[in-house]
Amino acid sequence: EVQLVESGGGLVQPGGSLRLSCSASGLSFSHYTMHWVRQAPGKGLQHVASISETGGDRYYADSVKGRFTISRDGSKNTLSFQMSSLRVEDTAVYYCVKEGTIASRSFDLWGQGTLVTVSS
Amino acid sequence: SFVLTQPPSVSVAPGETARITCGGDDVGTKSVHWYQQKPGQAPAPVIYFDSDRPSGIPERFSGSHSGIAATLTISRVEAGDEADYYCQVWDSSSGYVFGPGTKVIV
Repeated sequence: EVQLVESGGGLVQPGGSLRLSCSASGLSFSHYTMHWVRQAPGKGLQHVASISETGGDRYYADSVKGRFTISRDGSKNTLSFQMSSLRVEDTAVYYCVKEGTIASRSFDLWGQGTLVTVSS
Repeated sequence: SFVLTQPPSVSVAPGETARITCGGDDVGTKSVHWYQQKPGQAPAPVIYFDSDRPSGIPERFSGSHSGIAATLTISRVEAGDEADYYCQVWDSSSGYVFGPGTKVIV
């Protein structure tokens, strides 16, 4: 079965750190650009980061640039998201998302999401 | 930054047709993708590249694109179509951009 499974969410205090992981199965992980998309409670979707097939190109939304780092391990079919200096406004469900065909700029597979709550 | 607009909600009776628009500057020059998100679930694609349906999506879902807006049309609406729908584009300056979402109420 083709799927993405996130883990690592939880409650963290403002200024703290958290590392999210996404395990991919049933697909050629190294062939696809991967993304993190978040959704604050009751709000819409926001793309926050992406990483190219080789890991050589990374993109960050301005709201997380300098605080969050996206990475991938092709040998383990794993996508990671190191989140530091967390703020209350980072509270959201974080989705691991696979891009479609090369340069499609669309998202064809989503994980179930992991909730990150930043609160004192 | 690039901004997409969508109506907050669309109400439709079962069996009728729901139309959701997605607007924005120069949206006519971009490919528009649509996602459905049911309560408590992750989003899932329903339309790619303006009008292409992914495998498994019913023909009741269709997409179109004029010069100023894209439209997701759901024909013969069913209770199970009640969800939030998001449009999305890629912009060279703003990256991957989502619309604010439209709640379809059946």
